[in-house]
Amino acid sequence: DAMVIQNPRYQVTQFGKPVTLSCSQTLNHNVMYWYQQKSSQAPKLLFHYYDKDFNNEADTPDNFQSRRPNTSFCFLDIRSPGLGDAAMYLCATSRDSGGANNQPQHFGDGTRLSIL
Amino acid sequence: AQSVAQPEDQVNVAEGNPLTVKCTYSVSGNPYLFWYVQYPNRGLQFLLKYITGDNLVKGSYGFEAEFNKSQTSFHLKKPSALVSDSALYFCAVIVPGTYKYIFGTGTRLKVLA
Repeated sequence: DAMVIQNPRYQVTQFGKPVTLSCSQTLNHNVMYWYQQKSSQAPKLLFHYYDKDFNNEADTPDNFQSRRPNTSFCFLDIRSPGLGDAAMYLCATSRDSGGANNQPQHFGDGTRLSIL
Repeated sequence: AQSVAQPEDQVNVAEGNPLTVKCTYSVSGNPYLFWYVQYPNRGLQFLLKYITGDNLVKGSYGFEAEFNKSQTSFHLKKPSALVSDSALYFCAVIVPGTYKYIFGTGTRLKVLA
């Protein structure tokens, strides 16, 4: 089945040690998103790509960066994780339907990041 | 300002009874509305959407939602709840002209056997 896959499912890193989370998709969707979700709260959008065009949310910390080397893959880099960055990170994709964005987002199962 | 409200943090319902999870929205223009479900340690799963047309939308797992423009509501419903429906439910609206969602705060549904 076509899907959105996030690796790893659980990641532990040390305070201040850079970490990279990965996401891949077999849906061939042109829009990809990264969300941060804490404690059953609503997901918070960090950034999204429309093809290779990168769109950063105004309140996304500078500590968070992203790369999308091709349609299928997207990475979230946290340069110097702090304790407050412990969360579930969700990747999602959607298909652009000719300018009317009414297509659902497809989510991966997330990476749960713990900071020691 | 665009917003989505889910007024209930938690809804409890007995198995076999009908369930309703409430959502109201405030958005300029015609809204694109979505419902998602999230099980523990899983991503969000799409249930249904309203774009245009019939106000009653049918979705996955027997869920449906009714779009009410005058009340700016999009409540999620199911005629007969299952224990396996217990999960976290999010209502979302697309910010017009963008690819971004505004999510509600989520409602935890507990279906009691």
